[in-house]
Amino acid sequence: GQSLEQPSEVTAVEGAIVQINCTYQTSGFYGLSWYQQHDGGAPTFLSYNALDGLEETGRFSSFLSRSDSYGYLLLQELQMKDSASYFCAVRHTGKLIFGQGTTLQVKP
Amino acid sequence: DSGVTQTPKHLITATGQRVTLRCSPRSGDLSVYWYQQSLDQGLQFLIQYYNGEERAKGNILERFSAQQFPDLHSELNLSSLELGDSALYFCASSVEGTYPYEQYFGPGTRLTVT
Repeated sequence: GQSLEQPSEVTAVEGAIVQINCTYQTSGFYGLSWYQQHDGGAPTFLSYNALDGLEETGRFSSFLSRSDSYGYLLLQELQMKDSASYFCAVRHTGKLIFGQGTTLQVKP
Repeated sequence: DSGVTQTPKHLITATGQRVTLRCSPRSGDLSVYWYQQSLDQGLQFLIQYYNGEERAKGNILERFSAQQFPDLHSELNLSSLELGDSALYFCASSVEGTYPYEQYFGPGTRLTVT
């Protein structure tokens, strides 16, 4: 089977840096994706890691360690609009297996 | 706007009824995926179609079925509805096999079973 673990909630202040961790156990693994979802909205793609290391896209970075079955999403220079749910997802033969999501609350 | 459209936006129906949710993928995308998101839950993969053929199946109930038509739009049929089927149903589309394998999600259909 497949399972992903990520914290349910994280709180940080505006301008700070926050890291959202994700550990996974899957029978097959092609890569780890991250999606953002604002309340009631559609999930939107943030990043994808297939190989070990760091991928940077503006204020967001994502890291993967395949040997540790672990990844994280790093959000820098937090803004109020970053308050949302963040999902890690394992790419498995084309489909995505999502974690339960981490709700990030950014405070002024 | 992801380019993926879903109708209807909201649906309220009674237990035991049957509903059909419709999805039109982005232009050029051959893959369509259906996900269910219950209150405070993650996204549960239901089923994937690629160019009209079923490609992958998740934990989709036998009461649920889907298909993808020649024009690539897809429909998810939910029958014998139960209260627990109340959820947000998302459709996503993608260009199969293209890095970074991004899936584009539609705005969702909120189903309420009473």
